[in-house]
Amino acid sequence: DSGVTQTPKHLITATGQRVTLRCSPRSGDLSVYWYQQSLDQGLQFLIQYYNGEERAKGNILERFSAQQFPDLHSELNLSSLELGDSALYFCASSVEGQRSTDTQYFGPGTRLTVL
Amino acid sequence: GQQVMQIPQYQHVQEGEDFTTYCNSSTTLSNIQWYKQRPGGHPVFLIQLVKSGEVKKQKRLTFQFGEAKKNSSLHITATQTTDVGTYFCAGLNQAGTALIFGKGTTLSVSS
Repeated sequence: DSGVTQTPKHLITATGQRVTLRCSPRSGDLSVYWYQQSLDQGLQFLIQYYNGEERAKGNILERFSAQQFPDLHSELNLSSLELGDSALYFCASSVEGQRSTDTQYFGPGTRLTVL
Repeated sequence: GQQVMQIPQYQHVQEGEDFTTYCNSSTTLSNIQWYKQRPGGHPVFLIQLVKSGEVKKQKRLTFQFGEAKKNSSLHITATQTTDVGTYFCAGLNQAGTALIFGKGTTLSVSS
């Protein structure tokens, strides 16, 4: 158990819908990262938040957005869902996120299925 | 753009055989991290290498960082069934803001 929690574990929805994935980082960690893992694309970095502020952006679609709240939990919002958005979405956290040496601790993931 | 490539994509070995996965970056890396993901699980941090030519060992696992800091390898001696999973390398992007993961090497071990 990494100490990072993610809900829900599974999510099944239809194309065009909107969903919210939630992540609680390890106690004391200030940074939260979101990743998308699909069979053909591997583990893709989406976005990072550090202490409530967006710090880095990766391959995140405009239909996706995220935020980190004052209690440091984070939500990833996916809208206008397409079949290709079906994937495992991981959240990870690290102590700071400002140094390249930070270890990232991954949560158990949310499996999203878009029908 | 910056890429991190891993080979092989899949490897099957008999228990007791050795296993190696290789990671190559299109650009020089400030450091490289290795993660393991068990089937149905999430990536778990294994180790980080920072110095050119660095070699680190964790029991049967040996990690190397190339002299030019553009490649790395993970070698497992005498594999066991508990080694099954996908091994990812990850390097920091040039801006220093995100980890770029390789697509991983999936190891299967038969007893």
